[in-house]
Amino acid sequence: TQLLEQSPQFLSIQEGENLTVYCNSSSVFSSLQWYRQEPGEGPVLLVTVVTGGEVKKLKRLTFQFGDARKDSSLHITAAQPGDTGLYLCAGGDYGQNFVFGPGTRLSVLP
Amino acid sequence: DVKVTQSSRYLVKRTGEKVFLECVQDMDHENMFWYRQDPGLGLRLIYFSYDVKMKEKGDIPEGYSVSREKKERFSLILESASTNQTSMYLCASSQGTGILSGANVLTFGAGSRLTVL
Repeated sequence: TQLLEQSPQFLSIQEGENLTVYCNSSSVFSSLQWYRQEPGEGPVLLVTVVTGGEVKKLKRLTFQFGDARKDSSLHITAAQPGDTGLYLCAGGDYGQNFVFGPGTRLSVLP
Repeated sequence: DVKVTQSSRYLVKRTGEKVFLECVQDMDHENMFWYRQDPGLGLRLIYFSYDVKMKEKGDIPEGYSVSREKKERFSLILESASTNQTSMYLCASSQGTGILSGANVLTFGAGSRLTVL
Protein backbone atom coordinates (compact mmCIF):
# COMPACT_ATOMS: atom_id res chain seq x y z
CA THR A 1 0.00 0.00 0.00
CA GLN A 2 1.37 3.38 -0.97
CA LEU A 3 1.42 5.94 1.85
CA LEU A 4 2.24 9.64 1.91
CA GLU A 5 3.35 11.53 5.00
CA GLN A 6 3.24 15.28 5.34
CA SER A 7 5.09 17.51 7.76
CA PRO A 8 4.52 19.55 9.72
CA GLN A 9 0.94 18.67 10.54
CA PHE A 10 0.20 22.21 11.73
CA LEU A 11 2.01 25.47 11.05
CA SER A 12 1.18 28.95 12.32
CA ILE A 13 3.29 31.86 11.11
CA GLN A 14 3.21 35.63 10.80
CA GLU A 15 2.51 37.41 7.53
CA GLY A 16 5.72 37.94 5.56
CA GLU A 17 7.53 34.84 6.81
CA ASN A 18 8.79 32.05 4.57
CA LEU A 19 7.87 28.41 5.07
CA THR A 20 8.40 24.95 3.61
CA VAL A 21 6.13 21.93 3.94
CA TYR A 22 7.11 18.42 3.03
CA CYS A 23 5.52 15.35 1.48
CA ASN A 24 7.37 12.04 1.83
CA SER A 25 6.90 8.41 0.92
CA SER A 26 8.84 5.18 0.53
CA SER A 27 6.97 4.58 -2.73
CA VAL A 28 7.68 5.88 -6.21
CA PHE A 29 4.89 7.89 -7.83
CA SER A 30 4.17 8.68 -11.47
CA SER A 31 3.42 12.28 -10.55
CA LEU A 32 2.84 14.47 -7.54
CA GLN A 33 0.07 17.00 -7.14
CA TRP A 34 -0.45 19.70 -4.53
CA TYR A 35 -3.93 20.90 -3.60
CA ARG A 36 -5.12 23.64 -1.26
CA GLN A 37 -8.39 23.29 0.62
CA GLU A 38 -10.12 26.21 2.31
CA PRO A 39 -12.73 25.76 5.04
CA GLY A 40 -16.07 24.56 3.69
CA GLU A 41 -14.69 23.88 0.22
CA GLY A 42 -13.21 21.01 -1.71
CA PRO A 43 -9.49 20.84 -2.55
CA VAL A 44 -8.30 22.88 -5.52
CA LEU A 45 -5.29 21.88 -7.60
CA LEU A 46 -2.22 24.11 -7.32
CA VAL A 47 0.33 22.21 -9.40
CA THR A 48 1.31 18.87 -10.94
CA VAL A 49 4.95 17.76 -11.15
CA VAL A 50 5.79 14.70 -13.24
CA THR A 51 9.57 14.57 -13.71
CA GLY A 52 12.08 13.66 -10.98
CA GLY A 53 13.91 16.82 -9.88
CA GLU A 54 11.31 19.09 -11.47
CA VAL A 55 10.80 22.55 -9.97
CA LYS A 56 7.72 24.65 -10.68
CA LYS A 57 6.97 28.17 -9.53
CA LEU A 58 3.54 29.67 -9.10
CA LYS A 59 3.96 33.30 -8.01
CA ARG A 60 5.24 33.02 -4.40
CA LEU A 61 4.92 29.23 -4.31
CA THR A 62 7.77 26.90 -5.37
CA PHE A 63 7.16 23.18 -5.78
CA GLN A 64 9.85 20.52 -6.13
CA PHE A 65 9.59 16.83 -6.98
CA GLY A 66 12.38 14.69 -5.55
CA ASP A 67 14.91 13.09 -7.89
CA ALA A 68 13.71 9.62 -6.89
CA ARG A 69 10.01 10.62 -7.33
CA LYS A 70 9.28 9.68 -3.71
CA ASP A 71 9.00 13.11 -2.11
CA SER A 72 8.07 16.71 -2.73
CA SER A 73 8.26 20.09 -1.06
CA LEU A 74 6.26 23.29 -1.20
CA HIS A 75 7.97 26.56 -0.31
CA ILE A 76 6.01 29.77 0.21
CA THR A 77 7.83 33.10 0.18
CA ALA A 78 6.45 36.05 2.12
CA ALA A 79 3.30 34.25 3.25
CA GLN A 80 0.02 36.16 3.24
CA PRO A 81 -3.22 35.54 5.16
CA GLY A 82 -4.78 34.40 1.89
CA ASP A 83 -2.38 31.43 1.90
CA THR A 84 -4.17 30.02 4.96
CA GLY A 85 -5.62 26.56 4.34
CA LEU A 86 -5.00 22.83 4.29
CA TYR A 87 -2.26 21.80 1.86
CA LEU A 88 -2.61 18.27 0.53
CA CYS A 89 -0.15 16.32 -1.58
CA ALA A 90 -1.34 13.48 -3.80
CA GLY A 91 0.80 10.86 -5.53
CA GLY A 92 -0.22 9.32 -8.84
CA ASP A 93 -0.34 5.53 -8.80
CA TYR A 94 0.54 5.02 -12.50
CA GLY A 95 -3.15 4.55 -13.18
CA GLN A 96 -6.07 6.91 -12.82
CA ASN A 97 -5.98 7.17 -9.03
CA PHE A 98 -4.13 9.20 -6.45
CA VAL A 99 -2.94 8.56 -2.91
CA PHE A 100 -3.42 11.55 -0.63
CA GLY A 101 -1.35 12.63 2.36
CA PRO A 102 -3.00 13.78 5.60
CA GLY A 103 -2.27 17.44 4.90
CA THR A 104 -0.50 20.39 6.49
CA ARG A 105 -2.81 22.97 8.05
CA LEU A 106 -1.29 26.43 7.56
CA SER A 107 -2.41 29.55 9.39
CA VAL A 108 -0.91 32.90 8.37
CA LEU A 109 -1.58 35.61 10.91
CA PRO A 110 -1.80 39.26 9.85
CA ASP B 1 -17.68 27.88 -14.81
CA VAL B 2 -17.32 24.11 -14.80
CA LYS B 3 -17.94 22.35 -11.58
CA VAL B 4 -18.84 19.37 -9.46
CA THR B 5 -22.01 19.78 -7.44
CA GLN B 6 -22.84 17.81 -4.33
CA SER B 7 -26.52 18.05 -3.53
CA SER B 8 -26.31 18.17 0.26
CA ARG B 9 -23.78 20.24 2.20
CA TYR B 10 -24.89 19.06 5.64
CA LEU B 11 -26.86 15.97 6.65
CA VAL B 12 -27.81 14.53 10.04
CA LYS B 13 -29.04 10.93 10.05
CA ARG B 14 -29.75 8.28 12.64
CA THR B 15 -28.01 4.93 12.95
CA GLY B 16 -29.51 2.40 10.57
CA GLU B 17 -30.95 4.92 8.12
CA LYS B 18 -30.24 4.66 4.41
CA VAL B 19 -28.30 7.66 3.10
CA PHE B 20 -27.90 8.88 -0.49
CA LEU B 21 -25.19 11.36 -1.43
CA GLU B 22 -25.56 12.74 -4.93
CA CYS B 23 -22.83 14.20 -7.14
CA VAL B 24 -23.19 15.78 -10.59
CA GLN B 25 -20.44 17.08 -12.87
CA ASP B 26 -20.92 19.22 -15.96
CA MET B 27 -17.50 18.69 -17.57
CA ASP B 28 -18.27 15.44 -19.47
CA HIS B 29 -15.53 13.75 -17.45
CA GLU B 30 -14.99 10.01 -17.73
CA ASN B 31 -13.85 9.37 -14.16
CA MET B 32 -15.68 10.02 -10.93
CA PHE B 33 -14.58 9.37 -7.37
CA TRP B 34 -15.92 9.34 -3.82
CA TYR B 35 -13.54 10.10 -0.94
CA ARG B 36 -14.06 10.56 2.75
CA GLN B 37 -11.94 13.06 4.67
CA ASP B 38 -11.18 12.70 8.36
CA PRO B 39 -8.76 14.81 10.44
CA GLY B 40 -5.24 13.43 10.38
CA LEU B 41 -6.13 10.76 7.80
CA GLY B 42 -6.39 12.83 4.65
CA LEU B 43 -8.61 11.71 1.79
CA ARG B 44 -9.37 8.01 1.50
CA LEU B 45 -10.86 6.57 -1.66
CA ILE B 46 -14.18 4.76 -1.20
CA TYR B 47 -15.25 3.93 -4.76
CA PHE B 48 -14.50 5.18 -8.25
CA SER B 49 -15.93 4.80 -11.71
CA TYR B 50 -14.31 5.04 -15.14
CA ASP B 51 -17.50 4.78 -17.15
CA VAL B 52 -21.27 4.58 -16.94
CA LYS B 53 -22.49 1.52 -15.02
CA MET B 54 -18.91 0.72 -14.08
CA LYS B 55 -17.57 0.84 -10.52
CA GLU B 56 -14.43 -0.20 -8.71
CA LYS B 57 -13.71 -0.48 -5.00
CA GLY B 58 -11.26 1.93 -3.49
CA ASP B 59 -9.36 1.55 -0.24
CA ILE B 60 -12.33 1.64 2.17
CA PRO B 61 -15.49 0.36 0.40
CA GLU B 62 -16.99 -1.50 3.36
CA GLY B 63 -20.42 -0.17 4.31
CA TYR B 64 -20.81 1.78 1.06
CA SER B 65 -22.13 1.20 -2.44
CA VAL B 66 -22.31 3.43 -5.53
CA SER B 67 -24.39 3.93 -8.63
CA ARG B 68 -23.50 5.51 -11.96
CA GLU B 69 -26.47 5.28 -14.31
CA LYS B 70 -25.52 8.42 -16.25
CA LYS B 71 -22.09 9.79 -17.11
CA GLU B 72 -22.60 13.01 -15.19
CA ARG B 73 -24.01 11.53 -11.98
CA PHE B 74 -22.29 9.38 -9.34
CA SER B 75 -24.16 8.49 -6.18
CA LEU B 76 -22.80 7.17 -2.89
CA ILE B 77 -25.13 5.00 -0.82
CA LEU B 78 -24.87 4.06 2.83
CA GLU B 79 -27.30 1.14 3.18
CA SER B 80 -27.38 1.32 6.98
CA ALA B 81 -25.57 4.32 8.40
CA SER B 82 -23.35 3.86 11.43
CA THR B 83 -21.72 6.39 13.74
CA ASN B 84 -18.26 5.58 12.36
CA GLN B 85 -19.43 6.87 8.99
CA THR B 86 -19.69 10.40 10.37
CA SER B 87 -17.32 12.29 8.10
CA MET B 88 -16.83 14.77 5.28
CA TYR B 89 -17.56 13.15 1.91
CA LEU B 90 -15.93 14.59 -1.21
CA CYS B 91 -16.88 13.80 -4.78
CA ALA B 92 -14.40 14.44 -7.60
CA SER B 93 -14.17 13.96 -11.33
CA SER B 94 -11.34 13.85 -13.86
CA GLN B 95 -10.99 13.61 -17.61
CA GLY B 96 -8.97 10.40 -17.63
CA THR B 97 -6.58 11.00 -20.50
CA GLY B 98 -4.64 7.79 -20.25
CA ILE B 99 -2.23 5.82 -18.14
CA LEU B 100 -0.19 8.83 -16.98
CA SER B 101 -2.23 10.03 -14.03
CA GLY B 102 -0.14 13.17 -13.96
CA ALA B 103 -2.26 14.36 -16.84
CA ASN B 104 -5.37 14.05 -14.71
CA VAL B 105 -6.71 16.88 -12.63
CA LEU B 106 -9.22 16.09 -9.94
CA THR B 107 -12.02 18.64 -9.68
CA PHE B 108 -13.73 18.39 -6.32
CA GLY B 109 -17.16 19.32 -5.09
CA ALA B 110 -17.58 21.39 -1.94
CA GLY B 111 -18.22 18.33 0.19
CA SER B 112 -21.09 16.81 2.16
CA ARG B 113 -20.68 16.72 5.92
CA LEU B 114 -22.58 13.75 7.29
CA THR B 115 -23.30 13.26 10.98
CA VAL B 116 -24.74 9.92 12.09
CA LEU B 117 -26.31 9.96 15.54
